[in-house]
Formats: sequence, C-alpha cells, structure tokens
Amino acid sequence: QSALTQPPSASGSPGQSVTISCTGTGSDIGGYNYVSWYQQHPGKAPKLMISEVNKRPSGVPDRFSGSKSGNTASLTVSGLQAEDEAEYYCSSYADSNNVVFGGGTKLTVL
Amino acid sequence: QLQLQESGPGLVKPSETLSLTCTVSGGSISSSSYYWGWIRQPPGKGLEWIGSMYYSGSTYYNPSLKSRVTISVDTSKNQFSLKLSSVTAADTAVYYCARGVSLKYYDYVWGSYRYPYWFDYWGQGTLVTVSS
Repeated sequence: QSALTQPPSASGSPGQSVTISCTGTGSDIGGYNYVSWYQQHPGKAPKLMISEVNKRPSGVPDRFSGSKSGNTASLTVSGLQAEDEAEYYCSSYADSNNVVFGGGTKLTVL
Repeated sequence: QLQLQESGPGLVKPSETLSLTCTVSGGSISSSSYYWGWIRQPPGKGLEWIGSMYYSGSTYYNPSLKSRVTISVDTSKNQFSLKLSSVTAADTAVYYCARGVSLKYYDYVWGSYRYPYWFDYWGQGTLVTVSS
C-alpha cells in the first residue's frame, strides 16, 4: 500500500480559511467513507480532529470540517487561529483491514 | 479517561529485535469493538501504520513490515506488545501505541462484514534508536 498524498505545506492569515487535500486510491479513500484527520504539534502525539470523513470528536472546534469526493479527501480550517499551526495528517481505512496515512501537511498561520 | 503508555528499550542494536509494550489504563483492553495499534514516526518524517490487533485477537500488519512484525496482547496485564525483528537504522523512530475505535457494517459487494477503524486515543510515544 502507498501513502496518501498531501501537499507538504499550507498557510493562511488569522481569520482566513485553508483547505488541505489528501489523495488516495479506490483501495482506501475512494473505497470507504472512513477518512480521519490528525493534528500534531511539535513533540506531541497526534490528536484526532475528524473521523468518518466529516465527524468531529467532542471538544474539536467546529472550525474544523472534512469532506470527500472520489479518491480525494479534504480538511478545511475556517477562522484560522494561531494555535492551529501544526502538522496535519490524513488517514484512511483500506483494504484488508489496513490503515494508511498521508505524508503530512505543515500548516502555517501567517 | 483512557490512557496509553509505551515502554521499552530506547536503544536497540542492528539485527536485533525491538520490543515495546503499551499499558492501557482507564479501560479494558478486552472491550469489544476496539483495535489496538502501533504507529511510528521517523525523526522529521510522517506517520507510518505498523499494525493493529482486533479485540478478538485477529492481527493486521502493514504489508511492507509484515514479515518482521508481531503484535500480541496480555489481557491479564491490560497490555499489548510490539516486536519488530531484524531492525536497521531505518527503524529508528518514535513509536506510538493507540486505540482504534471500530464500526461494523455489511459489505454487499464482497458479501462480508467489515470493521473499519480510526485511532482516537494515542500514547505519548517513545523514541527507539537503532544503533550499535
């Protein structure tokens, strides 16, 4: 299985919106509605931000939203705040009960 | 509040076996519908799924690591473990244990049940360096 494809970087000013894409194949993103997104600050463990394409766990601000079309999933962060600056990873359930991660996107708040 | 804590040697010699344990507190590792997984992150790089174990005992491994990986569980200690054999410098990474929350649905295309999952609780991670 190959890693999902994410842009290495994204940026936006405070208050703006930014969207991060994540491209896979029919064996992962395209085949299942089980895309998740994780936020990771330096030196910290990843934190679940979105599951099942667009569901936010309790405590995650509604500024974070997810979507999917075909083999590509997206994470949108609206009303950017300084604390949103972090690395973001997409992940998908895949064939044979496997899990695949994206390479990560560094989000910079300008 | 569920907590996971990785433990094990921080330094392993090349060609030897890396062994880590994840201790789960605040919940039972035998609870139905959960996976218990290992994910690693080489310094400065992205996340890589190593493998997962379903509560029933079934295991699933990353195809690229499958020949070297074993995940097992000790329900009496509420722990699960990772063994990675024949390690090289490329296995140097922060290793995370995590809980996978699962659903169940019937796949009419393949005529079988599926149990998709994602990781909702993570340990803090432990750095393992492979070096002589």
